[in-house]
Amino acid sequence: AQKVTQAQTEISVVEKEDVTLDCVYETRDTTYYLFWYKQPPSGELVFLIRRNSFDEQNEISGRYSWNFQKSTSSFNFTITASQVVDSAVYFCALSEAGGYGQNFVFGPGTRLSVLP
Amino acid sequence: DAGVTQSPTHLIKTRGQQVTLRCSPKSGHDTVSWYQQALGQGPQFIFQYYEEEERQRGNFPDRFSGHQFPNYSSELNVNALLLGDSALYLCASTLDRNTEAFFGQGTRLTVV
Repeated sequence: AQKVTQAQTEISVVEKEDVTLDCVYETRDTTYYLFWYKQPPSGELVFLIRRNSFDEQNEISGRYSWNFQKSTSSFNFTITASQVVDSAVYFCALSEAGGYGQNFVFGPGTRLSVLP
Repeated sequence: DAGVTQSPTHLIKTRGQQVTLRCSPKSGHDTVSWYQQALGQGPQFIFQYYEEEERQRGNFPDRFSGHQFPNYSSELNVNALLLGDSALYLCASTLDRNTEAFFGQGTRLTVV
């Protein structure tokens, strides 16, 4: 069975601090996708990144970066120089690559509060 | 280009009643998935519709049913509502399995 764990329930940082959100996943599939979504107070989930299981290259996009380590089944997310607008709940998710895909298994989420 | 739209935004129902939630996918998307998000938890996959048929289903009872129309819009129906059905119901649409899913803002259902 697939499972996603986000051990950090809530994190508070002061603006301009760097913050890393942890994600550990479990799957028996050899091919799969990992995602990060952001959920602001308005409720909709905003797509941040997708990574397939064969692509362990780390990625940087502006203030965001992702560290995928298949050996430890982790897909961590770092925000550099955090801003108040980054305050939201962040979800890590796993999706099978075979079949029809897009049926995500979400982690419980990490609530990030960035204080001014 | 409108994204995924859901209606209504909020709903209050009494235990035992039935409810219908609606979702219009992002333009050009043909696949709709529904998720239930209880307070303080991550979303849980309910089912996915493609070509007007339920293609995949998560671990939800038969009280949860759905429908997809020829224009790709979708409905989620929940019968015999329980207090535990209170949650944010999210709709997501995709073009195919290789694209990211776009989510609506959800319908907040409260069962009293």
